[in-house]
Amino acid sequence: GDSVTQTEGPVTLSEGTSLTVNCSYETKQYPTLFWYVQYPGEGPQLLFKVPKANEKGSNRGFEATYNKEATSFHLQKASVQESDSAVYYCALSNNNNAPRFGAGTKLSVKP
Amino acid sequence: ETAVFQTPNYHVTQVGNEVSFNCKQTLGHDTMYWYKQDSKKLLKIMFSYNNKQLIVNETVPRRFSPQSSDKAHLNLRIKSVEPEDSAVYLCASSHGQDTLYFGAGTRLSVL
Repeated sequence: GDSVTQTEGPVTLSEGTSLTVNCSYETKQYPTLFWYVQYPGEGPQLLFKVPKANEKGSNRGFEATYNKEATSFHLQKASVQESDSAVYYCALSNNNNAPRFGAGTKLSVKP
Repeated sequence: ETAVFQTPNYHVTQVGNEVSFNCKQTLGHDTMYWYKQDSKKLLKIMFSYNNKQLIVNETVPRRFSPQSSDKAHLNLRIKSVEPEDSAVYLCASSHGQDTLYFGAGTRLSVL
């Protein structure tokens, strides 16, 4: 079945440093890939999605490229802010299957 | 803007009791889901409903049952709770296999 593996947390960074959260996936189909973000006391919300291989998604300074050959979708940000502290989920969605999520990566950014 | 509403926010109960959680979405989506989020933030799909048809039923204990009156509502009943059922239960909706929109969750504590 489908699966998603991402960087184990927690990750602690100082403001202004760069972030990479690795995500790899397994599926026999052609999924849409997502990054979701969850703030305390809320449900996950979409950060961005990429439906096609070799395309890039981005939002709020975060970006990721759908790499079909490497089956990866790594999340990157050049300079994190304290407000980026949250849990980040990589996810995939295929036809007729409920979306699958990675284990989540908790990011803490110190001022 | 909240469009997926879950009640209650919190529920504390004792082993063996029955509990029900409610979920309503106002987005006009055709698919709704229940996810379980454990203390390590792991998100696992429990059920999904598409136009009142159960289309995914993961290997969850039989004491869990989804209940839907129409495509805007998907409730979750736990017949006889166990300590391992303590978690956050997240309801979500989507249009087909597109982006999930989550509620804020119901936190269940089983004493």
